[in-house]
Amino acid sequence: AQSVTQPDIHITVSEGASLELRCNYSYGATPYLFWYVQSPGQGLQLLLKYFSGDTLVQGIKGFEAEFKRSQSSFNLRKPSVHWSDAAEYFCAVVRGGGNKLTFGTGTQLKVEL
Amino acid sequence: DVKVTQSSRYLVKRTGEKVFLECVQDMDHENMFWYRQDPGLGLRLIYFSYDVKMKEKGDIPEGYSVSREKKERFSLILESASTNQTSMYLCASSLDRRTGSTFGSGTRLTVV
Repeated sequence: AQSVTQPDIHITVSEGASLELRCNYSYGATPYLFWYVQSPGQGLQLLLKYFSGDTLVQGIKGFEAEFKRSQSSFNLRKPSVHWSDAAEYFCAVVRGGGNKLTFGTGTQLKVEL
Repeated sequence: DVKVTQSSRYLVKRTGEKVFLECVQDMDHENMFWYRQDPGLGLRLIYFSYDVKMKEKGDIPEGYSVSREKKERFSLILESASTNQTSMYLCASSLDRRTGSTFGSGTRLTVV
């Protein structure tokens, strides 16, 4: 069965520092991969997605992610973090031939000023 | 922009009550989903629907049912609420597997 692992439950970075959030998936074929962000008390907002083509994808709010098939990873990056980026981040993969998403357990990002 | 609207942000219900959570989307999406979100567990799929009157169980359907009488509306029903159903409930809709899902703001349900 498809699964998604986010190994870091909490991450703290200083404002202005670079950020990388890890995501590993298990899936036989080329997966459909997504990163979402959730601000406190809110729903999830789509940051970026990958399903084919260039393995480096750009998203909203200055985020990017790189698909690495050999490592089964889809890590999220940002060169310089802003205090407003403090939120919870979820990686997700579409299962099988349908539209259902499997989510990781999330990474809580704290930004120190 | 697609909008997914959940009727209540906060809800407090008593054990044994029948609870309805409503979700409406305005972009003619075929697919709609109900998730529950609990700390440390991420989002877990309760039910989804790929067409009017069509539904499929997700990973944790026990204690829940759904209704989709119109394309834009997808309701989650707790037949007899229990305290272990206290959670954040998120509704989502999607066009297809490549576009990703659009989420509502969530309903935080407390069962006392």
